[in-house]
Amino acid sequence: DADVTQTPRNRITKTGKRIMLECSQTKGHDRMYWYRQDPGLGLRLIYYSFDVKDINKGEISDGYSVSRQAQAKFSLSLESAIPNQTALYFCATSDLPVGQGAREQYFGPGTRLTVT
Amino acid sequence: GQQVMQIPQYQHVQEGEDFTTYCNSSTTLSNIQWYKQRPGGHPVFLIQLVKSGEVKKQKRLTFQFGEAKKNSSLHITATQTTDVGTYFCAGDAGGTSYGKLTFGQGTILTVHP
Repeated sequence: DADVTQTPRNRITKTGKRIMLECSQTKGHDRMYWYRQDPGLGLRLIYYSFDVKDINKGEISDGYSVSRQAQAKFSLSLESAIPNQTALYFCATSDLPVGQGAREQYFGPGTRLTVT
Repeated sequence: GQQVMQIPQYQHVQEGEDFTTYCNSSTTLSNIQWYKQRPGGHPVFLIQLVKSGEVKKQKRLTFQFGEAKKNSSLHITATQTTDVGTYFCAGDAGGTSYGKLTFGQGTILTVHP
């Protein structure tokens, strides 16, 4: 979805390096999420932010940090990359829930990260 | 924490055959969503189910939410090659983290022409 962009799209880095993945959205959504995808493991939530001042750990936050610079921007950092962080990373956004239903999440195109 | 299990992991079908993927949550859900990811693409929202026992249809796709709101299924009738991809269910437990989804592992569907 062109409304959610991720940079870079591909990155190869070495063990121990610091790397930042960036996500921007033009949908005006308050909620943003970072997931990683590994074969056979589906999408696992790393961090999520329900608004600029609200950041929460997901199920696999160890080794990662995030920054919500503005409503439209949510960055994911790997402070010291390790090979098992090699994965496909997705950013997503959603609007506020309505009634009993959560709102659909809109995903960016993904960043393929390789740590050697 | 909440777990969402999805089976099967892989499914190969001949074009025209039916396909079903099943999703089970370790906890009662507030709602469940389904997404499709084409090869090389990103997940795209298909549908959301909210009510106990709810059934929704989108053309050849039928989605069900269990009575106990702990399981769900997606059934595709007469598959086509355009149906290939990975199908994910995603559960929302509600409460203080309302809107936070836990995804199943996904079912990779291959359709042979």
